Amino acid sequence: DAKTTQPTSMDCAEGRAANLPCNHSTISGNEYVYWYRQIHSQGPQYIIHGLKNNETNEMASLIITEDRKSSTLILPHATLRDTAVYYCIVRVNSNSGYALNFGKGTSLLVTP
Amino acid sequence: DAMVIQNPRYQVTQFGKPVTLSCSQTLNHNVMYWYQQKSSQAPKLLFHYYDKDFNNEADTPDNFQSRRPNTSFCFLDIRSPGLGDAAMYLCATSIDQERIQYFGAGTRLSVL
Repeated sequence: DAKTTQPTSMDCAEGRAANLPCNHSTISGNEYVYWYRQIHSQGPQYIIHGLKNNETNEMASLIITEDRKSSTLILPHATLRDTAVYYCIVRVNSNSGYALNFGKGTSLLVTP
Repeated sequence: DAMVIQNPRYQVTQFGKPVTLSCSQTLNHNVMYWYQQKSSQAPKLLFHYYDKDFNNEADTPDNFQSRRPNTSFCFLDIRSPGLGDAAMYLCATSIDQERIQYFGAGTRLSVL
């Protein structure tokens, strides 16, 4: 799996967009970018994933650069409940083992 | 709602006293996972069941075992817990090798 690099921590004001970056410069053509988050004392929660096109769902948007070497998770209107550790994971979609390699993630603090 | 349920949320055991953690799911997923998450670290896969087939990660200590009596339930057995086994234990499920895994809230194990 490609290695990912994320900032250790970020702050965001409530109601503003939170933009969480992830570098994955060694990503290969068949690897997807996945985002999970973990709120304190809870299990990880899937947010969104993509291959090369930008993706949007009810939780977030995922912007992947054209060269696929980096991506940004966007929470359009952050709330206090979005305070969590956000993990960017790069994986092929099948036949490559089962473990999610979470890495260190970004600790996002949403402030009032 | 369909979900992954872990009981208990908090478990206290004594050094060397066997302990069992349980996980149940209503998603009817064929793959179930156990992750260990120590304080301030990312979750780490211990093993998984693909249907009835047990798959151990190479570095999972022998002290950790698992049972899956049916599709819905999976157990984590720690035969002789040490102080270093104090952690959050997370159960997750997925359909085949899809990268979207659904996690329970976790069981926090303390070893006295």
